[in-house]
Amino acid sequence: DTGVSQNPRHKITKRGQNVTFRCDPISEHNRLYWYRQTLGQGPEFLTYFQNEAQLEKSRLLSDRFSAERPKGSFSTLEIQRTEQGDSAMYLCASSVGQGNEKLFFGSGTQLSVL
Amino acid sequence: QQQVKQSPQSLIVQKGGIPIINCAYENTAFDYFPWYQQFPGKGPALLIAIRPDVSEKKEGRFTISFNKSAKQFSLHIMDSQPGDSATYFCAAQGRGYGANNLFFGTGTRLTVIP
Repeated sequence: DTGVSQNPRHKITKRGQNVTFRCDPISEHNRLYWYRQTLGQGPEFLTYFQNEAQLEKSRLLSDRFSAERPKGSFSTLEIQRTEQGDSAMYLCASSVGQGNEKLFFGSGTQLSVL
Repeated sequence: QQQVKQSPQSLIVQKGGIPIINCAYENTAFDYFPWYQQFPGKGPALLIAIRPDVSEKKEGRFTISFNKSAKQFSLHIMDSQPGDSATYFCAAQGRGYGANNLFFGTGTRLTVIP
């Protein structure tokens, strides 16, 4: 399978715990994005990497959220001190190009904070 | 603030019908308008996209109509099939802040009855 891979598919955690998600993009894609999707809503942009550099973060992104993309390959998204409002589907996407290019999304990680 | 407004929220058509999904935007900096299709448990997948220099684009049974002056665009699905049952999202992307991310609508859940 050469698509975008996300792990885990599901994560259940208790409020206050830290969680980390992983995204493996399509191998030749230099751009990587994280989006969040809640039930009945469209995906909402969180952050964007070009190679290993994090170039943009949403103004709505809490400082409890941090993302990395070491060596410009896979990426991790960590949420510290989770809150119930963090419950959502976290989607990763990758692309190659300079803008307005096709995004390839993974199947997401569904987070439930109890 | 919702950058892209989408309607209807849900739509039910008979097989062979032509569902139409509408979107509107305000930001004149937007210059790329894709539509994504999402099946349950999967990430969104690009269906078709248009730029504002054309008023219509067709790819197979899918057509985008674009009205630049009204800042509206719509998706038409010709000869709809039960396999088209999914959630459809319009999106927009442009220059300046947010040039590297897509702003999605809230989605339309389409059901095509056999």
